[in-house]
Amino acid sequence: EPEVTQTPSHQVTQMGQEVILRCVPISNHLYFYWYRQILGQKVEFLVSFYNNEISEKSEIFDDQFSVERPDGSNFTLKIRSTKLEDSAMYFCASSEGTSNQPQHFGDGTRLSIL
Amino acid sequence: RKEVEQDPGPFNVPEGATVAFNCTYSNSASQSFFWYRQDCRKEPKLLMSVYSSGNEDGRFTAQLNRASQYISLLIRDSKLSDSATYLCVSPRRRLIFGQGTELSVKP
Repeated sequence: EPEVTQTPSHQVTQMGQEVILRCVPISNHLYFYWYRQILGQKVEFLVSFYNNEISEKSEIFDDQFSVERPDGSNFTLKIRSTKLEDSAMYFCASSEGTSNQPQHFGDGTRLSIL
Repeated sequence: RKEVEQDPGPFNVPEGATVAFNCTYSNSASQSFFWYRQDCRKEPKLLMSVYSSGNEDGRFTAQLNRASQYISLLIRDSKLSDSATYLCVSPRRRLIFGQGTELSVKP
């Protein structure tokens, strides 16, 4: 069964450094997403991406965040200057369509900011 | 009112028990919902989609009550492997997750 893959599985970074989290969505999917989950809290939406542009973003997704689809397969999340509160599990997801289509999640990148 | 609210957990049940989770939603325009399960420190995995009044998949039954704006998930003959957090999800262009209800099935 096709799956969403994410790398790395765990990223440890010093506060203030830039990080790039990588995702390879399912190949025939057109919509891509990033979510995060702070330990003990619920999964929160960050951003959705379609047709090479952001289609929606949450209030969490401020100027420190950016997303990119640099080629036909990768989808990246960049955090420019990390803060301690950015420590969380980051999940990439993809779907064939939007709204009523289920989203399939990668197994996540655990980001630890020191 | 939160868009999606779930039963507070945890639910601790013996193997073989029937367990039901409830979830209420605030947006009456919502047409469909999902139940995802999440194992500890893992990604959410789609369990069931609920597009109309409900559907059944083996031991799992999901129901949608539009008049009362709630969704339920029933697990029959629960197994140890059912232990996880169950997430009620309202799909828009983003997924809106409930807090999740933790289920622990004991031998």
